[in-house]
Amino acid sequence: QKEVEQDPGPLSVPEGAIVSLNCTYSNSAFQYFMWYRQYSRKGPELLMYTYSSGNKEDGRFTAQVDKSSKYISLFIRDSQPSDSATYLCAMSARVRGETSGSRLTFGEGTQLTVNP
Amino acid sequence: ETGVTQSPTHLIKTRGQQVTLRCSSQSGHNTVSWYQQALGQGPQFIFQYYREEENGRGNFPPRFSGLQFPNYSSELNVNALELDDSALYLCASSSPGVRLGLGTDTQYFGPGTRLTVL
Repeated sequence: QKEVEQDPGPLSVPEGAIVSLNCTYSNSAFQYFMWYRQYSRKGPELLMYTYSSGNKEDGRFTAQVDKSSKYISLFIRDSQPSDSATYLCAMSARVRGETSGSRLTFGEGTQLTVNP
Repeated sequence: ETGVTQSPTHLIKTRGQQVTLRCSSQSGHNTVSWYQQALGQGPQFIFQYYREEENGRGNFPPRFSGLQFPNYSSELNVNALELDDSALYLCASSSPGVRLGLGTDTQYFGPGTRLTVL
């Protein structure tokens, strides 16, 4: 079983729709939760991050974490064609002995297309 | 753009060969992490280098090795290439001084090197 599960889609929505993207995880040590956006032939770029449980909002994007259910979500309001990309959830936990940074564990990504 | 650069952009090798991929980290970052992203999959952690020492390793065999140089740039070496090594190889740089604020470091990814093994 994968540590992080993410529905790969593809997901196709009309412009202006609300998009909901989700991941579940099994490792209770994860405490940092991130969403990355990856355009075709590019590296992932950090979109949102949340520490532990709770909500965080940034413009049209809202990230939610429910540690009790081991479930995280990303909501995109008023979706635009420029939001068409692959969205990757990522998680990390400080690993004993590692002195800098943390290894990220990614979901497999959800491919989103927003149609004009 | 993150300021993390990788070379080459694309590479084609045959099974059994060896390959070296290169990464220049963002200015001021002393940590480089390498990830392998197979087609249609999320990136998988290979290893991380911090101040020229390996600082954590994922579930990859010893034929995957790396180096970090005094200027914090890094190389990923893969020996005895296998067909399953075909993937996008991503490097990410970070620094303890550029934290998300709660104990983990923001990792900035380069555009990747696409490796095809025939």
